[in-house]
Amino acid sequence: AQTVTQSQPEMSVQEAETVTLSCTYDTSESDYYLFWYKQPPSRQMILVIRQEAYKQQNATENRFSVNFQKAAKSFSLKISDSQLGDAAMYFCAYRSLTSYGGATNKLIFGTGTLLAVQP
Amino acid sequence: KAGVTQTPRYLIKTRGQQVTLSCSPISGHRSVSWYQQTPGQGLQFLFEYFSETQRNKGNFPGRFSGRQFSNSRSEMNVSTLELGDSALYLCASSLERGGAYNTEAFFGQGTRLTVV
Repeated sequence: AQTVTQSQPEMSVQEAETVTLSCTYDTSESDYYLFWYKQPPSRQMILVIRQEAYKQQNATENRFSVNFQKAAKSFSLKISDSQLGDAAMYFCAYRSLTSYGGATNKLIFGTGTLLAVQP
Repeated sequence: KAGVTQTPRYLIKTRGQQVTLSCSPISGHRSVSWYQQTPGQGLQFLFEYFSETQRNKGNFPGRFSGRQFSNSRSEMNVSTLELGDSALYLCASSLERGGAYNTEAFFGQGTRLTVV
């Protein structure tokens, strides 16, 4: 079974600075997807960034980028130029390509990292 | 376009009762997944439906059940409620077309269930 581990329960960053959130995962699959989701106080989960395991190039979305190390099973999120609106719980998530030979959208989540942004 | 809609947003029930939560996916999305979020257990997968068929199920007791209708709307039901069922229940919908697996899950705002 796949597992996702986020070892940083809380992080803090100064506005305009850069912060990196860590995520490791365990799987025996060779193809899969990894995601970072943001959950603000409103509780709605918002996709931040996605990485396909077969792509060697690290995904980037504006101020958000990942460092995907497939061999090390590591998937960290870097937030540059942090803004007050970035304060939220961040979840790392894993998705298999298939389950029992069929498609699946099942996500396996880590325990989350609560990010505080100091003005 | 409208997002994923979950109703009701808040619910208070008594132990032993049953509850039904509803999720309307984004128009055109045929995959719906349900998750339970608690402070102690985090986000846990409940089940996934695609075209009215349960495609995947998490490790929850049989008191938790769900279904999906022909219009892709989904309901989940919890019978004989326990205090430990108090949680935020999140629904997510995904677009799947022609075997394309590269799909994003869009989440609703959740239903906050409190069991007293």
